[in-house]
Amino acid sequence: EAEVAQSPRYKITEKSQAVAFWCDPISGHATLYWYRQILGQGPELLVQFQDESVVDDSQLPKDRFSAERLKGVDSTLKIQPAELGDSAMYLCASSPLGQLVGYTFGSGTRLTVV
Amino acid sequence: SQQGEEDPQALSIQEGENATMNCSYKTSINNLQWYRQNSGRGLVHLILIRSNEREKHSGRLRVTLDTSKKSSSLLITASRAADTASYFCATVISGGYNKLIFGAGTRLAVHP
Repeated sequence: EAEVAQSPRYKITEKSQAVAFWCDPISGHATLYWYRQILGQGPELLVQFQDESVVDDSQLPKDRFSAERLKGVDSTLKIQPAELGDSAMYLCASSPLGQLVGYTFGSGTRLTVV
Repeated sequence: SQQGEEDPQALSIQEGENATMNCSYKTSINNLQWYRQNSGRGLVHLILIRSNEREKHSGRLRVTLDTSKKSSSLLITASRAADTASYFCATVISGGYNKLIFGAGTRLAVHP
C-alpha cells in the first residue's frame, strides 16, 4: 500500500537553530498538507498545497516558518529560528484532487527544541 | 483554530464493551471524517461521511451525522485492546480548498 514518507522521524535542535522536514506524498496526489500537533491536542493545519501552489497558509507563522513544493511533488517545511514552543509533531498528508476520500498521513517528525 | 469538539476527552472501557465518541462542529460542512492515532504515530483514516448521509458502517465502526445539530458520533462495537488510541473527528467545510480541520480528540483505553 502506498505511503506518505516523512523524514527525519525524530529531530532535536537547539533554540535559534534552523530545522527542516521533508515529505514525499503518494504519487499522483495533487494536494499536500503540513499539520502541527502539540502533545494532547488535535492537528492544526499549517499550509496546504495544490500542486506547487500554496492555497492556504493562514495559520503558518510566516516570520519563522516557510514551506515549498517546487515541482509539485515532495515538500520541505523549514523553521528558522526554532523556538521552544515549536516542539511538536509535524505531520504531512496528501490526497488526490477531486476525489472524496480520506487523507493519507505520514508517520510524522517529532521535533524537540531545547 | 479547531472546528470540532470531541466528547468525552477520555474514555476507559473493558474489552467487549462498546465505545461511543461524540463530535460537534460549528460551520456548514461538505463531509466529516474520523481518524485514529496510535501513540506517537501518524493518523489513520477510518471513515468518511458526506453531509447528505446520516449513517455509515465499516466493520465494527458506525458513524452517524446530524447536520441540524452539527454533530456526529463514532461507535466502536465489541472493542478490543488493539482499539486503544486517540480518535479525532475532522470536518471539511463547504467551499474552499478541501481544508480538513480537526478537533481535540478522544483518548480511548480498552482494558483486557
